[in-house]
Amino acid sequence: SQQGEEDPQALSIQEGENATMNCSYKTSINNLQWYRQNSGRGLVHLILIRSNEREKHSGRLRVTLDTSKKSSSLLITASRAADTASYFCATDAKGNNRLAFGKGNQVVVIP
Amino acid sequence: ETGVTQSPTHLIKTRGQQVTLRCSSQSGHNTVSWYQQALGQGPQFIFQYYREEENGRGNFPPRFSGLQFPNYSSELNVNALELDDSALYLCASSSRTSGRALDEQYFGPGTRLTVT
Repeated sequence: SQQGEEDPQALSIQEGENATMNCSYKTSINNLQWYRQNSGRGLVHLILIRSNEREKHSGRLRVTLDTSKKSSSLLITASRAADTASYFCATDAKGNNRLAFGKGNQVVVIP
Repeated sequence: ETGVTQSPTHLIKTRGQQVTLRCSSQSGHNTVSWYQQALGQGPQFIFQYYREEENGRGNFPPRFSGLQFPNYSSELNVNALELDDSALYLCASSSRTSGRALDEQYFGPGTRLTVT
């Protein structure tokens, strides 16, 4: 089974609104990463949060991590049409040498 | 642009054929990971190469094999292609020291493989 499971799967919002996505995982992790993918192209790294961190910010992005609940959230504030993409969480589980990706959230920002 | 390149961009093969996909890692990176992404799904880990040796493998059959060269570029080979092998194949490079956790991965644009 996949480590990351995002919820909700699809999100449609108006430009300027905030978008929130959640991700859950099953095992102990070293870190959790969020990636963006536009139209089936390569993934772009957005933010990495380590297991000993609880919250991290990068520009309009805010990521939280709750290791007790094995969950993370990604918040995009003041969304723009250019934020339209698929967003994936990926976990680096302890003892592995790999990233395990969730199924992704498709976000559509309507101008 | 991440500096990771992949070739070819698109490829159409027939069931039973063999294919080789190539990846040039970002300068200074010693680790390459390969992922398969089916339509509408997240990437699935195939394997990783660290300093020319396989350093972890996902749940893929032996007909998926790879190489990493001294310049850290890499190849993914798939033998006896099946229809379900149709997917976007992504490589990602990173720089790591053995035993350290994975930091951010730099992904190439992918190779779209269609098997008919």
